[in-house]
Amino acid sequence: DGGITQSPKYLFRKEGQNVTLSCEQNLNHDAMYWYRQDPGQGLRLIYYSQIVNDFQKGDIAEGYSVSREKKESFPLTVTSAQKNPTAFYLCASSSVLAGGGEGKNIQYFGAGTRLSVL
Amino acid sequence: SQKIEQNSEALNIQEGKTATLTCNYTNYSPAYLQWYRQDPGRGPVFLLLIRENEKEKRKERLKVTFDTTLKQSLFHITASQPADSATYLCALGGKLIFGQGTELSVKP
Repeated sequence: DGGITQSPKYLFRKEGQNVTLSCEQNLNHDAMYWYRQDPGQGLRLIYYSQIVNDFQKGDIAEGYSVSREKKESFPLTVTSAQKNPTAFYLCASSSVLAGGGEGKNIQYFGAGTRLSVL
Repeated sequence: SQKIEQNSEALNIQEGKTATLTCNYTNYSPAYLQWYRQDPGRGPVFLLLIRENEKEKRKERLKVTFDTTLKQSLFHITASQPADSATYLCALGGKLIFGQGTELSVKP
């Protein structure tokens, strides 16, 4: 089955702790994204990556870090600097970031990770 | 800056009726616009894409219109069913800017 796998489904963070959310895709997509969703709000872009070993900040990157060592994997670390981490985190991928013809940036999402603070 | 606005209030309709959701955008001229469905606690799922030179696009009971003059897209679900209850998001741009979504509830 092709798709995006996020883990864990639920995660709890203690004060001052860094936690890492996993995102793996087997769609052979070049572009990957991390979003944060708060209740009643839309998706806010945290980080995105167009290619291995390269990534860019989105609209709300402060307090987060990412890596893209493999095409299939784009883990997100929520650092202790993120003072309000409680949210629903979504990972997505698309064939390309932009251009390449319409439809190439249709995004495929994982099932999400719900992060709470203890 | 680019902005997308969707009906912030939930839409409640009776089964069998047509649901119409609105997506307005400013400071942008997208080549195409996308609609996604999101169920509670799940990731969004792509539904339809419409190009700027297309006035209307259909897929089964779904219809999307795109008016680049009004900077607006309308999303219609005909003969709605309780299973259509979900939040619907519009998105545009290369990296995709998402609207906040409109929650649709279809009552039997």
